[in-house]
Amino acid sequence: EVQLVESGGGLVQPGRSLRLSCAASGFMFDEYDMHWVRQAPGKGLEWVSSISWSGDSIGFADSVKGRFTISRDNAKNSLYLQMNSLRAEDTALYYCAKGTLNYMDVWGKGTTVTVSS
Amino acid sequence: EVVLTQSPGTLSLSPGERATLSCRASQSVTSGYLAWYQQKPGQAPRLLIYGASSRATGIPDRFTGSRSGTDFTLTISRLEPDDFAVYYCQQYSGSRFTFGPGTRVDIK
Repeated sequence: EVQLVESGGGLVQPGRSLRLSCAASGFMFDEYDMHWVRQAPGKGLEWVSSISWSGDSIGFADSVKGRFTISRDNAKNSLYLQMNSLRAEDTALYYCAKGTLNYMDVWGKGTTVTVSS
Repeated sequence: EVVLTQSPGTLSLSPGERATLSCRASQSVTSGYLAWYQQKPGQAPRLLIYGASSRATGIPDRFTGSRSGTDFTLTISRLEPDDFAVYYCQQYSGSRFTFGPGTRVDIK
């Protein structure tokens, strides 16, 4: 069964950092692009970042560019999102998603990030 | 950046009725790069349609995607109780993904 499990969320003060992880199983992780998508409480979906299967191609939404970095460890079947200089507006449920072509065909259940003093 | 506008914001229908959801792009979107997702409360989104009109694995044929120019449509032919949810369209262009604001389909 294809599965994505996010972890690393929590309560963090503004300006601090947090690292999210996504553990993948049930598919050939190193053959697929991966994505992070977030959803603020009561709001819609917002793409955050993507990384190609090889890690050579990376993209970020303007709202997080320069503050967030994405990486992957294909040997560990894991995806990461390093979030620095966190702001209140980064508060959201963060989903990890598996990419196929230009859409997201499998999603994790998400991990919650709350930025508050 | 391509902006997606979804309408209506909320659709109130009864089981068995037909639902027509619209997604309009601010500029041309390659058909192959338009997808639809369903999200129920407390759950992650689920892929329904990719490539504007191809159903994802396990998606029943009452869900149909179509395109006319920069307008994309998701049609649910006969609503079942399990279909009441929020639906998002998503596009990819210029190395960026964007989602529409969503259409909520409520039970009337």
